[in-house]
Amino acid sequence: EAEVAQSPRYKITEKSQAVAFWCDPISGHATLYWYRQILGQGPELLVQFQDESVVDDSQLPKDRFSAERLKGVDSTLKIQPAELGDSAMYLCASRLGGQVQETQYFGPGTRLLVL
Amino acid sequence: AQKVTQAQTEISVVEKEDVTLDCVYETRDTTYYLFWYKQPPSGELVFLIRRNSFDEQNEISGRYSWNFQKSTSSFNFTITASQVVDSAVYFCALISSTDSWGKLQFGAGTQVVVTP
Repeated sequence: EAEVAQSPRYKITEKSQAVAFWCDPISGHATLYWYRQILGQGPELLVQFQDESVVDDSQLPKDRFSAERLKGVDSTLKIQPAELGDSAMYLCASRLGGQVQETQYFGPGTRLLVL
Repeated sequence: AQKVTQAQTEISVVEKEDVTLDCVYETRDTTYYLFWYKQPPSGELVFLIRRNSFDEQNEISGRYSWNFQKSTSSFNFTITASQVVDSAVYFCALISSTDSWGKLQFGAGTQVVVTP
C-alpha cells in the first residue's frame, strides 16, 4: 500500500540552528500539505502545495520557515533559526488533488525538539 | 470562521466496553465535510471516516459507527467492543467547501485509553 514518507523521524537541535524535514507524498498526488502539531493539540496547516506551487502559506512564519516542492513531487520544510517554541511534530500529508474533500493521507511525522 | 470542539480530553475504558467520542463543529457554510482520524503512539494520522454535510445517514463500519446531526452540529464517533489496539488520540476535523484548497481544521483530540 502506498504511503507518505517522511524523514527524519526524530530531530534534536539547539536553538538558532537550522533544521530541514523531507516528505515524499504518495505517487501521483498533486496536493501536499505540511502541518505542525504542538503536544496536546490538533495539527495546524503551515503550507500547502498544488504541484510545485504554494497555494496557502498564510500560517507559515516566513521570517524563519521556508518550504519548497521544486519538481512537484517531494518537498522540504526548513527552519532557520530554530526557536524553543518550534518543538512539535511536523506532519506531511498528500491527496490526489481533484476535490477538496478527498482524503488526506499522512506520513509518520518528524518529532522536533529544540533545546 | 470554522471551529471544531472536542470537549473530552481523555476517556478510559476497559476492553470490550463501547466508547463514544463527541465532536461539535462550527461553520457558516452549507456544504462541508467531516472526518475522523486516529493517531496511535507512533504518530501517524490514520484516516477513519468521512461524511458529507448533505448526507446525514448514519452508518456502521465494522466496530466503528457515527452519528451525524446537523441540527446540533455534532458528529459523534463510537467504537464498539473496544480493544487495546484502539488506544490512541482521535481527531475530528472539518473541511469547508468554500476552502479552495481543502485545509483540514482539527479539534484538539480525545485520548482513548483501553485497558485489558
